[in-house]
Amino acid sequence: AQSVTQLDSQVPVFEEAPVELRCNYSSSVSVYLFWYVQYPNQGLQLLLKYLSGSTLVKGINGFEAEFNKSQTSFHLRKPSVHISDTAEYFCAVSSWAGATNKLIFGTGTLLAVQP
Amino acid sequence: DTAVSQTPKYLVTQMGNDKSIKCEQNLGHDTMYWYKQDSKKFLKIMFSYNNKELIINETVPNRFSPKSPDKAHLNLHINSLELGDSAVYFCASSQDGRTGRANKETQYFGPGTRLLVL
Repeated sequence: AQSVTQLDSQVPVFEEAPVELRCNYSSSVSVYLFWYVQYPNQGLQLLLKYLSGSTLVKGINGFEAEFNKSQTSFHLRKPSVHISDTAEYFCAVSSWAGATNKLIFGTGTLLAVQP
Repeated sequence: DTAVSQTPKYLVTQMGNDKSIKCEQNLGHDTMYWYKQDSKKFLKIMFSYNNKELIINETVPNRFSPKSPDKAHLNLHINSLELGDSAVYFCASSQDGRTGRANKETQYFGPGTRLLVL
């Protein structure tokens, strides 16, 4: 069975500093990986996704993530964060449930950007 | 313009009541989902429908009954609401969740319905 681990429940960072949000997954089959962002009191927005091909994936708002199969990781990075990046970030793996796809989510990481 | 919409956005009700949440997508997708986000922000799938057919039912109490009148709509009806049902419920859709092809399976989420049971 697939699973996702987000080791950091909260990551405080100063504005304009770089940030990395960690995500590790476990799966016995090929995976599709996703990062979603949830701004306060809002829904989930797709940030980026890895389906196949290049292991470095670029997303919206200057975020990128690198798929590392040997380390089973899909860490999210941004070189310089803004106050507006404060949100909850969810890593997810796509799980084939026999007849259809479902997303298995990590527990989320709160990115708290401070001035 | 909203791709996946849900109504209502907020729902406050008493224990024991019956309530419904509606979801509509205008993306032309064939597959729709319901997810529950608990107070610790943990997200878990509840149901999945493809073209009005139930595909996934993740051991959800039978007080929860999804209904898909057409492939653009997936509603969630909850009977005899309990305190533990308080959560945020998200609807999502994908082009086709059964293909095994990643681009068709990317899921897009609605804004959520915040349910509070008193």
